[in-house]
Amino acid sequence: DAGVIQSPRHEVTEMGQEVTLRCKPISGHNSLFWYRQTMMRGLELLIYFNNNVPIDDSGMPEDRFSAKMPNASFSTLKIQPSEPRDSAVYFCASIHRDSADTQYFGPGTRLTVL
Amino acid sequence: QKEVEQDPGPLSVPEGAIVSLNCTYSNSAFQYFMWYRQYSRKGPELLMYTYSSGNKEDGRFTAQVDKSSKYISLFIRDSQPSDSATYLCAMCKAAGNKLTFGGGTRVLVKP
Repeated sequence: DAGVIQSPRHEVTEMGQEVTLRCKPISGHNSLFWYRQTMMRGLELLIYFNNNVPIDDSGMPEDRFSAKMPNASFSTLKIQPSEPRDSAVYFCASIHRDSADTQYFGPGTRLTVL
Repeated sequence: QKEVEQDPGPLSVPEGAIVSLNCTYSNSAFQYFMWYRQYSRKGPELLMYTYSSGNKEDGRFTAQVDKSSKYISLFIRDSQPSDSATYLCAMCKAAGNKLTFGGGTRVLVKP
């Protein structure tokens, strides 16, 4: 298995631009999580999906952030418009809903907003 | 106050020493407790997980959970330079549920 796949691995953009981060979960996993990691705030959950349905988006910082999961093998996290304070590493993780010990993280997307 | 507290370190030890890490938490509803290891510029990887109170051992790693004190620990025996990483504790209320992470402790094992 290829593991959780994220793209791009690095993204540098200018303030005000739209940014789209992509994630392909592990095949067979039915829950998907988007996290953001910064030095100041650590690893924070933004949103998670069960069976492609958003369950908890209370961690999404504001309306500039949106996430979708159109099918079991693909999810996007979009920031529009982006701001310098959005600079962070964004991780996607997937898990089989009934297994607490199998949450696997992707390699992350390092976002820099200038 | 954060739900999960973890000393950020860095914790520097000589090779072969025992590394002792811990987290405290405030939400008594947490039932599953995990330790993740994160190398620089990589995603976290699961090391250990424990359900409810008790101890669990896996090779050089031992995880302990004391729910009465809301305190969890990870011990690394015979530490190696390759153990140098950031260790994050995480916990959740139910299987497959969202995780709440500690801030991570950076560990440096010196040869």
